Amino acid sequence: GAGVSQTPSNKVTEKGKYVELRCDPISGHTALYWYRQSLGQGPEFLIYFQGTGAADDSGLPNDRFFAVRPEGSVSTLKIQRTERGDSAVYLCASSPPGTGGLNEQFFGPGTRLTVL
Amino acid sequence: AQKITQTQPGMFVQEKEAVTLDCTYDTSDQSYGLFWYKQPSSGEMIFLIYQGSYDEQNATEGRYSLNFQKARKSANLVISASQLGDSAMYFCAMREASRTGTASKLTFGTGTRLQVTL
Repeated sequence: GAGVSQTPSNKVTEKGKYVELRCDPISGHTALYWYRQSLGQGPEFLIYFQGTGAADDSGLPNDRFFAVRPEGSVSTLKIQRTERGDSAVYLCASSPPGTGGLNEQFFGPGTRLTVL
Repeated sequence: AQKITQTQPGMFVQEKEAVTLDCTYDTSDQSYGLFWYKQPSSGEMIFLIYQGSYDEQNATEGRYSLNFQKARKSANLVISASQLGDSAMYFCAMREASRTGTASKLTFGTGTRLQVTL
């Protein structure tokens, strides 16, 4: 079956521009996560959705970052007024419903964002 | 405070040998999960193995096993019979169960780069 997909795979933009990154989770997965991975680091949590609502957005670095999941499936991460420090790989993951919240997260291939 | 610590930035192992990648964690929760992911140079995160905090047996998945020592708060990954294709970054991660029983985020360590040599 299809895994988590992310588009675009690469995005190059100029400082100050607006970007949207898209994530298509595995069908039937209710939880969706966004992480950011800077060079040489582990992924860092940004936000996660349970269905349509953001259950935890404590990892968003500032108000330039916003994410939506209007129908409980596809999610879009939006970054306004991009800065060079936003350059990273943005990873999306999804997990199926389950008890205790300890289910495995399945990751997409990521979007490499470069801000010039 | 760092929740997941991986103290080995890089490791070398000869093909067919076993290697242990270290991971220690910090949590005050009783219920949590520990994960290991592999990230090859292509960038995708590949799930390897999972250990629940209440699991009494160490988890095993093929050539991967997790040496879980709860009192020491360590969850080391053991790869047996290393193969050239095992060369990659390896991340340890923890997931603490949310109070509402819903899903919750993963907290990752900084990773260990494993290089398998002939």
